[in-house]
Amino acid sequence: GAGVSQSPSNKVTEKGKDVELRCDPISGHTALYWYRQRLGQGLEFLIYFQGNSAPDKSGLPSDRFSAERTGESVSTLTIQRTQQEDSAVYLCASSLGGTTNTEAFFGQGTRLTVV
Amino acid sequence: GESVGLHLPTLSVQEGDNSIINCAYSNSASDYFIWYKQESGKGPQFIIDIRSNMDKRQGQRVTVLLNKTVKHLSLQIAATQPGDSAVYFCAVPVYNQGGKLIFGQGTELSVKP
Repeated sequence: GAGVSQSPSNKVTEKGKDVELRCDPISGHTALYWYRQRLGQGLEFLIYFQGNSAPDKSGLPSDRFSAERTGESVSTLTIQRTQQEDSAVYLCASSLGGTTNTEAFFGQGTRLTVV
Repeated sequence: GESVGLHLPTLSVQEGDNSIINCAYSNSASDYFIWYKQESGKGPQFIIDIRSNMDKRQGQRVTVLLNKTVKHLSLQIAATQPGDSAVYFCAVPVYNQGGKLIFGQGTELSVKP
């Protein structure tokens, strides 16, 4: 596609339920990032995929959070047993990756509300 | 580890004035820097980038200055317009971690008509 696509755009879930957030990166981009952004705050790094390398999971806040990526395409971020503090916008970005750094392109985000 | 900070959380300017948004980084080995603009309800949008072999780079109404000696970069917006109102983030790939991007906390720019 022309840009990074995230779905759903909004998700309201009950506390304790599991949620899956989806990201379709730009075709050909080997690098994919997930960030969390709480209201009025900056971007908190969650996880980073680069090609076939092991993902950098150093930003995942707890073992309730996990992410997968199928090859160099779709990624899903799963949050198990959601808590109210998980409410935030979850942003996905992709970039060309490789040895030369290039800018990352962001999707519009998924706004997660845990009630 | 890598950290990125901003000097001011908010900036208010008059329409037509120039705006300067600052950012400090911690790793002297960092070699690539990006500025993003985030409007309300949207994902961050790339504005301009600069590599460490440059001190200055200009775009349309925007200029990024890099001072490697003090590990500081700034974004200058000329003739600021109401449409420039947004949160601005600097971002730096973590050195030797394959491009993992770390973002500063952001500066909210408000433009008064």
